[in-house]
Amino acid sequence: SYELTQPPSVSVSPGQTASITCSGDKLGDKYTYWYQQRPGQSPVLVIYQDNKRPSGIPERFSGSTSGNTATLTISGTQALDEADYYCQAWDSSTGVFGAGTKVTVL
Amino acid sequence: QVQLVQSGAEVKKPGSSVKVSCKASGGTFSSYAFSWVRQAPGQGLEWMGTIIPLFGTSTYAQKFQGRVTITADESTSTAYMELSSLRSEDTAMYYCARIVRDSAWYFDYWGQGALVTVSS
Repeated sequence: SYELTQPPSVSVSPGQTASITCSGDKLGDKYTYWYQQRPGQSPVLVIYQDNKRPSGIPERFSGSTSGNTATLTISGTQALDEADYYCQAWDSSTGVFGAGTKVTVL
Repeated sequence: QVQLVQSGAEVKKPGSSVKVSCKASGGTFSSYAFSWVRQAPGQGLEWMGTIIPLFGTSTYAQKFQGRVTITADESTSTAYMELSSLRSEDTAMYYCARIVRDSAWYFDYWGQGALVTVSS
């Protein structure tokens, strides 16, 4: 079955840049989506179609892809960005999530 | 505004079934697809399946084939997920998520979740 690989955790100082990677076989041929989940809350879409930001999502969130790796970048990280982040892609009609990355703002 | 309102928490015995509902408002129900995603305590997100109400077709994760049934009622704008032969490992928060069916598919809104606890 298809798998997406994310680092378990990323630490960042307030105001600095956090980067979260997501890799998968032929991921470059698919769209990658990113979801933020704060503790006790439902997931929220922060990036769709690799690099598009839904309305209401701050500009400090951006997405990019290179080869078979997608990256979510949070610029000027704030304390409220502390959350779990999941990448997601479709493998044919099957939804696949990465295991999630916990972003800690120190 | 768009809302997905799910049914409440359930406690079930092993071997039984559970049916969770997800009522959508703030959009044309048949224009979207709906997925169910679960999250075991302290774990990540796991896609279970998708239904396209317009066509009445469902796709399921191989892991849940034969145990899960996803349906939709366009007259009430409600999607349902039924999971049978419950075991303790099925204890999780179950989310419904609306899918935008455009040039790409993505989950634009999520329900509040429904906690299902399987315990004897």
